[in-house]
Amino acid sequence: SQKIEQNSEALNIQEGKTATLTCNYTNYSPAYLQWYRQDPGRGPVFLLLIRENEKEKRKERLKVTFDTTLKQSLFHITASQPADSATYLCALPGTTDSWGKLQFGAGTQVVVTP
Amino acid sequence: NAGVTQTPKFQVLKTGQSMTLQCAQDMNHNSMYWYRQDPGMGLRLIYYSASEGTTDKGEVPNGYNVSRLNKREFSLRLESAAPSQTSVYFCASSIEQINEQYFGPGTRLTVT
Repeated sequence: SQKIEQNSEALNIQEGKTATLTCNYTNYSPAYLQWYRQDPGRGPVFLLLIRENEKEKRKERLKVTFDTTLKQSLFHITASQPADSATYLCALPGTTDSWGKLQFGAGTQVVVTP
Repeated sequence: NAGVTQTPKFQVLKTGQSMTLQCAQDMNHNSMYWYRQDPGMGLRLIYYSASEGTTDKGEVPNGYNVSRLNKREFSLRLESAAPSQTSVYFCASSIEQINEQYFGPGTRLTVT
Protein backbone atom coordinates (compact mmCIF):
# COMPACT_ATOMS: atom_id res chain seq x y z
CA SER A 1 0.00 0.00 0.00
CA GLN A 2 0.94 3.64 -0.25
CA LYS A 3 2.03 6.01 2.48
CA ILE A 4 0.14 9.23 1.84
CA GLU A 5 1.19 12.42 3.59
CA GLN A 6 -0.87 15.54 3.90
CA ASN A 7 0.00 18.43 6.17
CA SER A 8 -1.71 17.73 9.47
CA GLU A 9 -1.49 21.34 10.60
CA ALA A 10 -4.48 23.51 9.73
CA LEU A 11 -3.90 26.06 7.01
CA ASN A 12 -5.17 29.47 8.10
CA ILE A 13 -5.60 31.86 5.22
CA GLN A 14 -7.12 35.26 4.62
CA GLU A 15 -10.08 35.63 2.29
CA GLY A 16 -9.02 36.36 -1.26
CA LYS A 17 -5.63 34.64 -0.98
CA THR A 18 -4.62 31.35 -2.60
CA ALA A 19 -4.50 28.24 -0.44
CA THR A 20 -2.05 25.53 -1.51
CA LEU A 21 -2.26 22.02 -0.10
CA THR A 22 0.22 19.21 -0.60
CA CYS A 23 -0.27 15.48 -1.02
CA ASN A 24 2.86 13.32 -1.11
CA TYR A 25 2.94 9.57 -1.71
CA THR A 26 5.84 7.21 -1.30
CA ASN A 27 5.57 4.12 -3.46
CA TYR A 28 4.51 3.43 -7.03
CA SER A 29 2.97 6.19 -9.10
CA PRO A 30 -0.79 5.75 -9.32
CA ALA A 31 -2.79 5.91 -12.52
CA TYR A 32 -4.82 8.78 -11.05
CA LEU A 33 -5.33 10.85 -7.94
CA GLN A 34 -8.48 12.38 -6.53
CA TRP A 35 -9.27 15.28 -4.19
CA TYR A 36 -12.28 15.46 -1.89
CA ARG A 37 -13.73 18.04 0.47
CA GLN A 38 -15.18 17.07 3.84
CA ASP A 39 -17.24 19.30 6.12
CA PRO A 40 -17.64 18.43 9.84
CA GLY A 41 -20.15 15.65 10.40
CA ARG A 42 -20.62 14.95 6.70
CA GLY A 43 -19.32 12.54 4.10
CA PRO A 44 -16.55 13.56 1.67
CA VAL A 45 -17.55 15.26 -1.57
CA PHE A 46 -15.58 14.66 -4.77
CA LEU A 47 -13.82 17.69 -6.27
CA LEU A 48 -11.30 16.70 -8.94
CA LEU A 49 -9.62 13.69 -10.53
CA ILE A 50 -6.28 13.97 -12.31
CA ARG A 51 -4.70 11.18 -14.32
CA GLU A 52 -0.99 10.35 -14.47
CA ASN A 53 -0.64 11.76 -17.98
CA GLU A 54 -2.19 15.10 -16.99
CA LYS A 55 0.01 17.76 -15.47
CA GLU A 56 -2.81 20.07 -14.37
CA LYS A 57 -6.59 20.09 -13.98
CA ARG A 58 -8.86 23.02 -13.22
CA LYS A 59 -12.43 23.44 -12.03
CA GLU A 60 -13.66 26.96 -11.32
CA ARG A 61 -11.35 28.31 -8.55
CA LEU A 62 -9.69 24.94 -7.96
CA LYS A 63 -6.49 23.71 -9.59
CA VAL A 64 -4.70 20.40 -9.13
CA THR A 65 -1.24 19.45 -10.34
CA PHE A 66 0.30 15.99 -10.46
CA ASP A 67 4.07 15.48 -10.55
CA THR A 68 4.89 11.78 -10.82
CA THR A 69 8.63 12.51 -10.59
CA LEU A 70 8.25 14.24 -7.23
CA LYS A 71 5.42 11.85 -6.22
CA GLN A 72 3.35 14.85 -5.29
CA SER A 73 0.05 16.55 -6.00
CA LEU A 74 -0.68 20.18 -5.20
CA PHE A 75 -4.21 21.47 -4.68
CA HIS A 76 -4.85 25.19 -5.03
CA ILE A 77 -7.90 27.23 -4.04
CA THR A 78 -7.65 30.66 -5.63
CA ALA A 79 -9.54 33.73 -4.37
CA SER A 80 -10.44 31.76 -1.25
CA GLN A 81 -13.72 32.42 0.57
CA PRO A 82 -14.90 31.58 4.10
CA ALA A 83 -17.20 28.98 2.50
CA ASP A 84 -14.05 27.12 1.39
CA SER A 85 -13.27 26.30 5.04
CA ALA A 86 -13.26 22.50 5.28
CA THR A 87 -10.92 19.53 5.38
CA TYR A 88 -9.45 18.49 2.02
CA LEU A 89 -8.51 14.87 1.39
CA CYS A 90 -6.38 13.39 -1.34
CA ALA A 91 -6.96 9.81 -2.42
CA LEU A 92 -5.20 7.42 -4.76
CA PRO A 93 -5.23 3.70 -5.52
CA GLY A 94 -3.68 1.81 -2.64
CA THR A 95 -2.65 -1.17 -4.75
CA THR A 96 -1.65 -1.83 -8.32
CA ASP A 97 -3.89 -4.89 -8.67
CA SER A 98 -7.13 -2.99 -8.11
CA TRP A 99 -7.31 0.64 -9.13
CA GLY A 100 -10.66 1.02 -7.39
CA LYS A 101 -9.28 0.46 -3.90
CA LEU A 102 -8.70 4.04 -2.85
CA GLN A 103 -6.37 4.98 -0.02
CA PHE A 104 -7.03 8.36 1.59
CA GLY A 105 -4.71 10.82 3.25
CA ALA A 106 -5.66 12.09 6.71
CA GLY A 107 -6.57 15.47 5.23
CA THR A 108 -5.61 19.09 5.72
CA GLN A 109 -8.00 21.52 7.39
CA VAL A 110 -8.34 24.90 5.69
CA VAL A 111 -9.70 27.88 7.61
CA VAL A 112 -10.47 31.00 5.58
CA THR A 113 -10.99 34.14 7.63
CA PRO A 114 -12.74 37.27 6.33
CA ASN B 1 -32.40 11.39 -6.37
CA ALA B 2 -31.44 10.63 -2.77
CA GLY B 3 -27.89 9.63 -3.76
CA VAL B 4 -26.32 7.36 -1.13
CA THR B 5 -28.36 6.71 2.00
CA GLN B 6 -27.20 5.01 5.20
CA THR B 7 -29.08 3.72 8.21
CA PRO B 8 -28.90 4.14 11.09
CA LYS B 9 -27.31 7.57 11.64
CA PHE B 10 -26.24 6.75 15.20
CA GLN B 11 -25.86 3.49 17.11
CA VAL B 12 -24.55 2.44 20.51
CA LEU B 13 -23.68 -1.22 21.03
CA LYS B 14 -22.35 -3.23 23.89
CA THR B 15 -19.27 -5.36 23.37
CA GLY B 16 -20.26 -8.65 21.75
CA GLN B 17 -23.51 -7.42 20.20
CA SER B 18 -24.07 -7.65 16.47
CA MET B 19 -25.59 -5.25 14.00
CA THR B 20 -25.91 -4.51 10.31
CA LEU B 21 -25.29 -1.13 8.72
CA GLN B 22 -27.41 -0.57 5.64
CA CYS B 23 -26.45 1.36 2.52
CA ALA B 24 -28.39 2.04 -0.66
CA GLN B 25 -27.73 4.10 -3.77
CA ASP B 26 -30.14 5.19 -6.49
CA MET B 27 -27.60 6.30 -9.11
CA ASN B 28 -27.31 2.91 -10.88
CA HIS B 29 -23.67 2.68 -9.84
CA ASN B 30 -21.79 -0.58 -10.26
CA SER B 31 -19.25 -0.21 -7.46
CA MET B 32 -19.89 0.27 -3.74
CA TYR B 33 -17.58 0.71 -0.77
CA TRP B 34 -17.49 0.71 3.03
CA TYR B 35 -15.01 2.91 4.89
CA ARG B 36 -14.35 3.74 8.50
CA GLN B 37 -12.99 7.09 9.64
CA ASP B 38 -11.11 7.57 12.88
CA PRO B 39 -9.63 10.83 14.16
CA GLY B 40 -6.25 11.57 12.60
CA MET B 41 -6.27 8.43 10.47
CA GLY B 42 -8.32 9.35 7.48
CA LEU B 43 -10.72 7.04 5.71
CA ARG B 44 -9.80 3.37 5.57
CA LEU B 45 -11.40 0.91 3.18
CA ILE B 46 -13.09 -2.04 4.90
CA TYR B 47 -14.68 -3.87 1.95
CA TYR B 48 -15.73 -3.01 -1.53
CA SER B 49 -17.87 -4.46 -4.29
CA ALA B 50 -16.67 -3.77 -7.81
CA SER B 51 -19.95 -4.99 -9.28
CA GLU B 52 -23.10 -6.80 -8.24
CA GLY B 53 -22.24 -10.28 -7.03
CA THR B 54 -18.62 -9.55 -6.12
CA THR B 55 -17.00 -8.39 -2.90
CA ASP B 56 -13.37 -7.95 -1.90
CA LYS B 57 -11.43 -7.06 1.21
CA GLY B 58 -9.99 -3.65 1.74
CA GLU B 59 -7.35 -2.43 4.15
CA VAL B 60 -9.13 -3.29 7.44
CA PRO B 61 -11.64 -6.15 6.90
CA ASN B 62 -11.16 -8.05 10.18
CA GLY B 63 -14.31 -8.18 12.31
CA TYR B 64 -16.63 -7.26 9.43
CA ASN B 65 -18.66 -9.01 6.75
CA VAL B 66 -20.49 -7.57 3.78
CA SER B 67 -23.34 -8.48 1.47
CA ARG B 68 -24.02 -6.97 -1.93
CA LEU B 69 -27.74 -7.70 -1.85
CA ASN B 70 -28.41 -6.30 -5.31
CA LYS B 71 -27.07 -3.47 -7.45
CA ARG B 72 -28.55 -0.83 -5.11
CA GLU B 73 -27.73 -2.20 -1.67
CA PHE B 74 -24.50 -3.05 0.15
CA SER B 75 -24.63 -3.92 3.85
CA LEU B 76 -21.89 -4.14 6.47
CA ARG B 77 -22.25 -6.53 9.40
CA LEU B 78 -20.44 -6.55 12.71
CA GLU B 79 -20.87 -10.04 14.16
CA SER B 80 -19.39 -9.37 17.60
CA ALA B 81 -18.73 -5.70 18.18
CA ALA B 82 -15.55 -4.58 19.94
CA PRO B 83 -14.64 -1.13 21.36
CA SER B 84 -11.98 -0.87 18.62
CA GLN B 85 -14.83 -0.71 16.12
CA THR B 86 -16.05 2.60 17.54
CA SER B 87 -15.85 4.86 14.51
CA VAL B 88 -17.76 6.72 11.84
CA TYR B 89 -18.71 4.46 8.96
CA PHE B 90 -19.21 5.76 5.44
CA CYS B 91 -20.70 4.00 2.47
CA ALA B 92 -19.82 5.20 -1.03
CA SER B 93 -20.59 4.29 -4.63
CA SER B 94 -19.13 4.99 -8.07
CA ILE B 95 -20.13 4.26 -11.65
CA GLU B 96 -17.05 2.11 -12.11
CA GLN B 97 -14.01 1.56 -9.92
CA ILE B 98 -11.82 4.34 -11.24
CA ASN B 99 -14.45 7.06 -11.13
CA GLU B 100 -15.27 9.57 -8.44
CA GLN B 101 -17.00 8.21 -5.38
CA TYR B 102 -20.23 9.53 -3.87
CA PHE B 103 -20.46 9.22 -0.11
CA GLY B 104 -23.38 8.78 2.25
CA PRO B 105 -23.87 10.86 5.42
CA GLY B 106 -22.22 8.30 7.68
CA THR B 107 -23.14 6.20 10.72
CA ARG B 108 -21.62 7.07 14.09
CA LEU B 109 -21.09 3.82 15.99
CA THR B 110 -20.02 3.61 19.61
CA VAL B 111 -19.16 0.26 21.19
CA THR B 112 -19.00 0.26 24.98
